[in-house]
Amino acid sequence: GAGVSQSPRYKVAKRGQDVALRCDPISGHVSLFWYQQALGQGPEFLTYFQNEAQLDKSGLPSDRFFAERPEGSVSTLKIQRTQQEDSAVYLCASSLVGGLFDYGYTFGSGTRLTVV
Amino acid sequence: DAKTTQPPSMDCAEGRAANLPCNHSTISGNEYVYWYRQIHSQGPQYIIHGLKNNETNEMASLIITEDRKSSTLILPHATLRDTAVYYCIVLQGAQKLVFGQGTRLTINP
Repeated sequence: GAGVSQSPRYKVAKRGQDVALRCDPISGHVSLFWYQQALGQGPEFLTYFQNEAQLDKSGLPSDRFFAERPEGSVSTLKIQRTQQEDSAVYLCASSLVGGLFDYGYTFGSGTRLTVV
Repeated sequence: DAKTTQPPSMDCAEGRAANLPCNHSTISGNEYVYWYRQIHSQGPQYIIHGLKNNETNEMASLIITEDRKSSTLILPHATLRDTAVYYCIVLQGAQKLVFGQGTRLTINP
């Protein structure tokens, strides 16, 4: 596709339920990022992949959060035993190359997760 | 890692130039300044980036001071569709963007 695609667009989960959020990056993009954006706040970094390797997961808030990108393309962010504080928009971004001086990252529209 | 300071909000009249300031006084020599914006209910959108020279593209201009401690994003002829939150980011570490609170820019008709 032309852009980064995220699904579902909206997700309502009961507290304690497991959820899986999907990100389809732009074809051929090497780098993939996940961000969490709480209401009224800027996005906060969660984790980063270069191809299938997860190079940085320092932003994952707890061990209930897990991300994977097994074939270096589609990525899934999984949240186990969801809690109300997990309610946020989860954004995925990808970029073409993995170098430091990249020409910007393309973001998806995000998945809005509401935990009730 | 360098951090940025931006005014929380600004207003600009439609058709005028919008000048958004950003302070990054602790920026190091190899760190770039990136600007993104986020329109309501969308993901952030890349605008422009620079190291030390002024940059211009079809969306905006970026003016970086000689000491690199501050920069200004210029939208030359603002339209209503430019209403968004604008983030000034200093590229941190190997890859990740670190967003602050940004500036909420409102373009008024």
